[in-house]
Amino acid sequence: AQKVTQAQTEISVVEKEDVTLDCVYETRDTTYYLFWYKQPPSGELVFLIRRNSFDEQNEISGRYSWNFQKSTSSFNFTITASQVVDSAVYFCALSLISNFGNEKLTFGTGTRLTIIP
Amino acid sequence: DVKVTQSSRYLVKRTGEKVFLECVQDMDHENMFWYRQDPGLGLRLIYFSYDVKMKEKGDIPEGYSVSREKKERFSLILESASTNQTSMYLCASSQAGGDQPQHFGDGTRLSIL
Repeated sequence: AQKVTQAQTEISVVEKEDVTLDCVYETRDTTYYLFWYKQPPSGELVFLIRRNSFDEQNEISGRYSWNFQKSTSSFNFTITASQVVDSAVYFCALSLISNFGNEKLTFGTGTRLTIIP
Repeated sequence: DVKVTQSSRYLVKRTGEKVFLECVQDMDHENMFWYRQDPGLGLRLIYFSYDVKMKEKGDIPEGYSVSREKKERFSLILESASTNQTSMYLCASSQAGGDQPQHFGDGTRLSIL
């Protein structure tokens, strides 16, 4: 069975500091996808990034960057120069292909990030 | 932009009632999902549907059923609500294909008294 672990339940940092959110996953499948979602106080989950298991290139998007390492089964998320608007709950998720070829996500328990002004 | 709309933001019901949570998406997505979100447990999949009139159990289907009569609408049904079903319920939709991101509604916070 697949599993996603986000060991950091809550993190607080002062604005403009860098912060890394950890994600470790378990799966026996060789083909899978990893996702990060953001859930601001309003409640709606917002898709941030997708990575497939064959692409270990790191990705940078503005202040956000992601480090995918198959050797350690990790997909960590770093926010550089954090801002108050980054305060949210962040979820890491793993997607396997179900019997019918459709996506089924397994979520971690989330990390609540608070940026202190 | 994809829009996933859940019929109620907040809902209060009584133990034993039959409860319907409705979800509508406007992007012609094949897949639709129902999750519940509880503190410390993250999101857990209740049911999902990959086509009209098709459904598949998720990780915690007990006490729930679903209906998908039209492609854009996916209903979650609590046959006889119990207090342990008090939770935040999230609906999502996606295109077919394992690499497609899911798009979420705002959630329904359901309280069973």
